[in-house]
Amino acid sequence: GAVVSQHPSRVICKSGTSVKIECRSLDFQATTMFWYRQFPKQSLMLMATSNEGSKATYEQGVEKDKFLINHASLTLSTLTVTSAHPEDSSFYICSAQPTSGSDTQYFGPGTRLTVL
Amino acid sequence: KQEVTQIPAALSVPEGENLVLNCSFTDSAIYNLQWFRQDPGKGLTSLLLIQSSQREQTSGRLNASLDKSSGRSTLYIAASQPGDSATYLCAVPFSGGYNKLIFGAGTRLAVHP
Repeated sequence: GAVVSQHPSRVICKSGTSVKIECRSLDFQATTMFWYRQFPKQSLMLMATSNEGSKATYEQGVEKDKFLINHASLTLSTLTVTSAHPEDSSFYICSAQPTSGSDTQYFGPGTRLTVL
Repeated sequence: KQEVTQIPAALSVPEGENLVLNCSFTDSAIYNLQWFRQDPGKGLTSLLLIQSSQREQTSGRLNASLDKSSGRSTLYIAASQPGDSATYLCAVPFSGGYNKLIFGAGTRLAVHP
């Protein structure tokens, strides 16, 4: 149990286009999901907290107008990278925390974004 | 501001060795501490979660200890195997926000036959 999926697993896009990444909790409900970014050989950096039915909370230095987050249901959060540029190329990972109150977060497999 | 440091950054050992990976954090007022495993190009797998009231947790060949007062945790891997090769990350919650995690940079482990 407690599986989180991400789609797509890899995406290559041209500079200036927008890319949407989906994060789904497959067998549990998650009021809160988190989006992280990981550059090569670096650790995960929290970008934003996605809350079902309300606005996302962004970490300092993360542009909310560039990284649009929508958490429309208890099992789905989406991250849209708008007007992507090569410096946005990274590994994006989401995690979901069960609504049941468990401290454990379950992580998705990640999405590799390459912007040409 | 909480900072998490992991030492060593990389480790290469022969199969069968017992290993100790270190994690330190600057703010001892943590809610819990987690150890994760990440395979190349993959997401994270939770290995162990230690609550602030606990001193250690064990799962199979893995044992994690927590010393809040000194701001340290260690992950002990017994009888290492090639399949243990991965990056090991420790993480603690943001100060005041126990759901959001701050990660260390990780220890890249290579266990060779």
